[in-house]
Amino acid sequence: GAVVSQHPSWVICKSGTSVKIECRSLDFQATTMFWYRQFPKQSLMLMATSNEGSKATYEQGVEKDKFLINHASLTLSTLTVTSAHPEDSSFYICSASRTGGENIQYFGAGTRLSVL
Amino acid sequence: GENVEQHPSTLSVQEGDSAVIKCTYSDSASNYFPWYKQELGKRPQLIIDIRSNVGEKKDQRIAVTLNKTAKHFSLHITETQPEDSAVYFCAASLSSGSARQLTFGSGTQLTVLP
Repeated sequence: GAVVSQHPSWVICKSGTSVKIECRSLDFQATTMFWYRQFPKQSLMLMATSNEGSKATYEQGVEKDKFLINHASLTLSTLTVTSAHPEDSSFYICSASRTGGENIQYFGAGTRLSVL
Repeated sequence: GENVEQHPSTLSVQEGDSAVIKCTYSDSASNYFPWYKQELGKRPQLIIDIRSNVGEKKDQRIAVTLNKTAKHFSLHITETQPEDSAVYFCAASLSSGSARQLTFGSGTQLTVLP
């Protein structure tokens, strides 16, 4: 199968601190990974597209200096929420597509971020 | 860019009945349409997908139909069971052999009443 692991699953932090979320494709290589944000009872909103070895592409309205994305290998992408504030509290989900494969996205289990 | 609309937002059916969820898309170039099921607090899971070269695809109790001319596609669940209760999302994308972003619909909360 295609397994995507995301950690941590839940994090609580103080306002002003930074939080790093990891997304790993465990049994396949993923040139491209995607980061989504999901508010309660709402759809998945794409934040950015992460490409291995290059800069991420951010969606309109997403601050790249606040949501730092690093995709240093074909199996790992990280999202760092810098100087987190209560309004950043949300469910963050990553997905990955197989390199050279069809456009099927496999999702991580998500990270629930609560900023106090 | 692509815009995907999904209806209804909530749907309640009796166990054993059928459920139908409909989506429309705006970009005629889109050619890949997956459906995801998401239980509360969990990851979206792909349940079925269809590409624009076919009009219908079926997998046991789940089927998807696609009308390219009208730019809409639908999810059909037959013989619904309580475990089918979840939020269902449709999505659309341009698939050209490499990863492309998905544009999601707003979701449908399906409740199957025992």
